[in-house]
This record gives sequence, C-alpha cells and structure tokens, in this order.
Amino acid sequence: EIVLTQSPGTLSLSPGERATLSCRASQSVSSNYLAWYQQKPGQAPRLLIYGASSRVTGIPDRFSGSGSGTDFTLTISRLEPEDFAVYYCQQCGSSPFFGPGTKVDIK
Amino acid sequence: EMQLVESGGGSVQPGGSLRLSCAASGFIFSSYWMHWVRQVPGKGLVWVSRINTDGSSTSYADAVKGRFTISRDNAKNTLHLQMNSLRAEDTAVYYCASEVVVVIPTATYPEYQYYGMDLWGQGTTVTVSS
Repeated sequence: EIVLTQSPGTLSLSPGERATLSCRASQSVSSNYLAWYQQKPGQAPRLLIYGASSRVTGIPDRFSGSGSGTDFTLTISRLEPEDFAVYYCQQCGSSPFFGPGTKVDIK
Repeated sequence: EMQLVESGGGSVQPGGSLRLSCAASGFIFSSYWMHWVRQVPGKGLVWVSRINTDGSSTSYADAVKGRFTISRDNAKNTLHLQMNSLRAEDTAVYYCASEVVVVIPTATYPEYQYYGMDLWGQGTTVTVSS
C-alpha cells in the first residue's frame, strides 16, 4: 500500500512569498494519478491540480504542480491572502487516498 | 450550476444505521464516478467509497468494508451511502464528490485516466454516540 507523506506539516509565510509544498509517495506513483486540493475552514475541498501538473480551469496561474515518481510539489508563486489554507495531495485511482495535508498559515 | 447536495446525516447510537444521499444537478450525473470522503473536524480527508458511472463497480476503504454500501440511481441523479453497524470512529463530516474518469481500451485490459474530484458537496455530519 502506497503512503503519501506531506511536508512540512505547517508552513508559515507572509503574503507575497513563495510557498513550496512537498508530497512524497512510498512507491512510484503515475503522474496521471496525482492531484492537489485546497481546503479552507468550514468549506469543502477544492481541486487545484490533476495529473500532477494540470491546473483546473479557473485556478490562478500562481498555483503550479510538478514532479514524478515519488516526489511531487505544489508551488504557489506569490501568496495571496486567500491562499492561506490546508493543502492535500491525493493519489487518484480505483481506491484513492489523501496525504495528511500541509497547513499554510500567515507568519 | 453544477451542484452536489448531501443529506441524511444525524446522530445515531453505536450499532445503528444511517443512509446518506447526495443529489446532483447541473451536470450529466451518469457520466461521473462518484465518491464519499469523510473528515473529522480538524483532521484530514479520508476516502470512504467510490462507484463507477453505471454502478457496476464499487470500492471501499478497509475501515468501512462490509458495513457501508455505496449505490447510485442515475435516473434520479442521486448517490447513496448506506451505513450499518456504525461505530464512534465513523463520526465525521461526509462529503460526496464527483470525478471524471476516462476508460482507455487497450489490447489487454482497460486503462484509466483520472481527473480528480472536481465537484464537492457541502457535507453532512454523522455523529455516532451513546
């Protein structure tokens, strides 16, 4: 069974800074099967990225995904106030599962 | 407007049952795989179950296998989750979510392209407590 590990657990940054979030899999994951979600308090998750690097329509281009194999990254190029949230990576598939999440909070 | 609306949550004693529903509107429900995902407040997302477009294939997390049953009624654009033998650890907010999955025929067996859970409901709360 593949395990997804996200780091750091919490990322404290200021608006305008760059955020780099890591998602590491215990075994190789097809890039086609890696997605990223954003969740704000009291809200349902929102899909940001699928296929490791494809941005969902309507998602700002400051969000980008990259990686392959066991190492994937979500980058927010310049944090906006509305980007402070929890971010989850997910392996898609017949029985999908989520990483534990990275909280991006205001420094 | 594309929308998913969950209902059926509530409080139940351990060992009891609940049936969650998810009403879909604004899109072709029968073209989407559907999932249930749960979340204990303050904790992470946990996938529970999924069903393919015509209901012929289902999958469950180990924690709910044998107790929960996912089903769908494409004529009524509705997804269900029958939850039996409920335990305290099933207490959570339950979300339904939709996903586009493209089946790619090959010479041996079909391959799948997954596009992520792109539409979510607002969630319904299940509390299991005596």
